[in-house]
Amino acid sequence: QVQLVESGGGVVQPGGSLRLSCAASGFTFSSHGIHWVRQAPGKGLEWVAFVGYDGSNKFYDDSVKGRFTVSRDNSKNTVYLQMNSLRAEDTAVYYCAKVQSGSPYYMDVWGKGTTVTVSS
Amino acid sequence: QSALTQPPSASGSPGQSVTISCTGTSSDVGGYNYVSWYQQHPGKAPRLLIYGVSKRPSGVPDRFSGSKSGNTASLTVSGLQAEDEADYYCSSYGGSNNWVFGGGTKLTVL
Repeated sequence: QVQLVESGGGVVQPGGSLRLSCAASGFTFSSHGIHWVRQAPGKGLEWVAFVGYDGSNKFYDDSVKGRFTVSRDNSKNTVYLQMNSLRAEDTAVYYCAKVQSGSPYYMDVWGKGTTVTVSS
Repeated sequence: QSALTQPPSASGSPGQSVTISCTGTSSDVGGYNYVSWYQQHPGKAPRLLIYGVSKRPSGVPDRFSGSKSGNTASLTVSGLQAEDEADYYCSSYGGSNNWVFGGGTKLTVL
C-alpha cells in the first residue's frame, strides 16, 4: 500500500543542523511531488516546503527560506529536508505528504511524522 | 502568508450537522478553488477529507461536504458520529508557490 515513512528527527541545539528523510513505497514515486508540513506541540499544521516530481521545482515558506533545503533521490524513492541554523521555533513534528495524482495542491497520503526538538 | 481563520472549537450531538468555517483572503481562499480539508485524530497523521473545495477522495463518507463563498470555505459534517471527534484543518493554495493552513478546529461530539 502507499506509504511514507519519515526519519531523522531528534534533539539538536539552537544553530545546529538536522537532515530528515521521507522514504516512499507503494506508488510511482518519481511522478509525485512531496510536501513537508510541520506541527509544533499543541499547535496547528504549518506548510514548510514542496519539491516537484523531478526535483526541479522547490518552494519554501518564508519562515524557513535560506535555512532549509528540500531535495529528492528518485533512485532511492526518498525525499530529504536539510535543516540548518535551527531555532527553538522549529521544534515540531515534521510530516511528509505526497501530492494527489495530477495536482500539487492537495496532500493525499501522509507519513506518521518525525519529531524535531531544538533546545539547549 | 497569514494562517487561514477557523473557529477554535465546534460541537454537535450524534446525528446532528455541524459546519466549520475557514476564512482567508482574495489571495488564497477567494482567489483559487484549491481548498482542501484535513481530519486529524490525536497523535495521528492528518487525512485528506475534501479537495478542490467540494470533492471527496474515495473512502471518505458522503457525510463530509465542502463549499466556498467568496473568501470563506466551509466544511459540513452531517449525521455526526463519535468517530468524527477530531481536529479539522482547512488549507488553500496561497499563490506564489506557497500553501497555507487554517489554525484548526477541534470538533467535539457531545
